Amino acid sequence: GQQLNQSPQSMFIQEGEDVSMNCTSSSIFNTWLWYKQEPGEGPVLLIALYKAGELTSNGRLTAQFGITRKDSFLNISASIPSDVGIYFCAGQYDYGQNFVFGPGTRLSVLP
Amino acid sequence: EPEVTQTPSHQVTQMGQEVILRCVPISNHLYFYWYRQILGQKVEFLVSFYNNEISEKSEIFDDQFSVERPDGSNFTLKIRSTKLEDSAMYFCASRNAGTGANYGYTFGSGTRLTVV
Repeated sequence: GQQLNQSPQSMFIQEGEDVSMNCTSSSIFNTWLWYKQEPGEGPVLLIALYKAGELTSNGRLTAQFGITRKDSFLNISASIPSDVGIYFCAGQYDYGQNFVFGPGTRLSVLP
Repeated sequence: EPEVTQTPSHQVTQMGQEVILRCVPISNHLYFYWYRQILGQKVEFLVSFYNNEISEKSEIFDDQFSVERPDGSNFTLKIRSTKLEDSAMYFCASRNAGTGANYGYTFGSGTRLTVV
């Protein structure tokens, strides 16, 4: 079945640093979503991407839909302690189908 | 901000017992989902529900599982005879019929199911 890989699996950064993480697939997806999950909570949607090459921002977060439609990137600028959490990508092959989630990137921000 | 509400937040049950997890999706949403997340692992799709019927389900969603929308507001997941490996966080999600900025699911906070 369709699977997503995320890298890195985890990262420790200093407050104020920029963060980059990515999500790759062996299959083409038509929609990419990025979610953040904090402990004990459900995933919260950060950014949705619908077209290859699309670049979308949400505050300090920027995500891009890869040209090949097999990857997506999420960048966080000037990280702050509340950025801590697990970041999941989710891909959808076709409209109306369920989303497949990646395994997540665990972000820790050191003061 | 509209929310997806799940109850209970934590349920402990004995192996072999039936459990019902409850969700109240956002009121104008038409598509409903259950996902689960085993501790420390990724979020896995279980089932999607639209127009009062299952539209898609995963291999995980076997005969032990069922979903129901008993009235206009609740969406439930029933596990008939729980197994130890059913222990997980179960997330309900809903979305409206549109595309664009409102397309992504809204997730509830989850029900932590512990089977002992």
